[in-house]
Formats: sequence, structure tokens, C-alpha cells
Amino acid sequence: DTEVTQTPKHLVMGMTNKKSLKCEQHMGHRAMYWYKQKAKKPPELMFVYSYEKLSINESVPSRFSPECPNSSLLNLHLHALQPEDSALYLCASSQDLAKGQFSNSPLHFGNGTRLTVT
Amino acid sequence: DQQVKQNSPSLSVQEGRISILNCDYTNSMFDYFLWYKKYPAEGPTFLISISSIKDKNEDGRFTVFLNKSAKHLSLHIVPSQPGDSAVYFCAARGNTGFQKLVFGTGTRLLVSP
Repeated sequence: DTEVTQTPKHLVMGMTNKKSLKCEQHMGHRAMYWYKQKAKKPPELMFVYSYEKLSINESVPSRFSPECPNSSLLNLHLHALQPEDSALYLCASSQDLAKGQFSNSPLHFGNGTRLTVT
Repeated sequence: DQQVKQNSPSLSVQEGRISILNCDYTNSMFDYFLWYKKYPAEGPTFLISISSIKDKNEDGRFTVFLNKSAKHLSLHIVPSQPGDSAVYFCAARGNTGFQKLVFGTGTRLLVSP
């Protein structure tokens, strides 16, 4: 069982819908990540949160809006997506030595949300 | 620019034999390397990592070897089991400030009984 839990597992949404992806971890990790993975491709980083603050935005379009309500939760709000945004969205977490210092610790991934935009 | 390369998209091995998955990198600033395993419809699962101060790290059936001069790492699985059939990603990052994890394109391993 993964220690990073993502809901929902599957999501189908229209281009005018607003939906949210949710991620939860209870490992005490203070760094959390959103990745996007297309078929037969490696995961691509979207956002990084460190101590509940957005540290990295990999030039992601504004139709994706991340939120970190507390140290255990990470959300990704979706609005006006395009069919090409259909992908597996992965949440991950890792240890963080201190604010902004990322340790040599592995990322632990959830099982992802399979998103289809119609 | 693909900084982490897995040149073999697939590998087939018989059960009980050794599986060797290879990975090459180009960025000399990388100093932490990881292997992940991914089953369909699941997220990547962390397998094993190695820091650049080492050349070998072993965990059960899994051993990772790092050759810094060649900028090459490999994952050995001995003995291979059918349950090892999955896509394996190698990943790397540097250690200055935030360095994002750079993934290879993956190698699909099939272990047949």
C-alpha cells in the first residue's frame, strides 16, 4: 500500500468543468509535489511545495492551480482544461531538512489520478 | 536535451536469471541517483538509491552500481521473478538548492516463468 493517497483514482471532465485532485500523506514529509505523466513518458514536474509554501512552478498553465492547506494535504484545482491535459497526475512527498533545503531522500509517489478531458 | 537516458526500451529475462537495467546521464552535477519501478495504473515505487560518494548499494535482490567516470549506472536484479515485470525508471538530481528529479524514459522489464 502506498503511503501517499490520491483521490479520485479516475476523473472524466469536460473542458468547462471545475474539479479538484486531492493528495494526502502522513509520513511527516514537508515537501510535496505534483507531477504529470503521459503514456510511455517519464513523469514531468509541475509544482513543488516546501513547508506549505509554493517553491517551484515549472511554467504550468494557470488552468492548473495548486493548493497546500496543511502539511499533510495537497490539492490541484483544475479549470477549463484542454483534451491534451489528459494524463496521469501523480502526487509525491519527500523529507526536507529545513526550509528550502532538499535532502537526499527519495520521493514517495501516490498511485495517481487518471484524468480524461473530453 | 535528455539528461538521463535509458537506451533500452525493453528487456526480457527468464525467471531466476539476472536482470541488468542500464542508465546513462550527461550532467556532471548530478550526485544522487534513484531507481523506481512502475506497474500499470500505479505510481512509481521507490526501489533503491545511491549517492555519488559510493559506487555500489545493495538491498536484497537489488543492487545499483554507479560509474561516475562513465556517467553510467545500472540496476541488477538477482534472481529475477515474474513479479518484477514492470517499467523501471532511473532518476537523478544535483544537491545545490532545489534540484528537480530528472527521470529517464524507462525500460520495460518482462520476466518470464
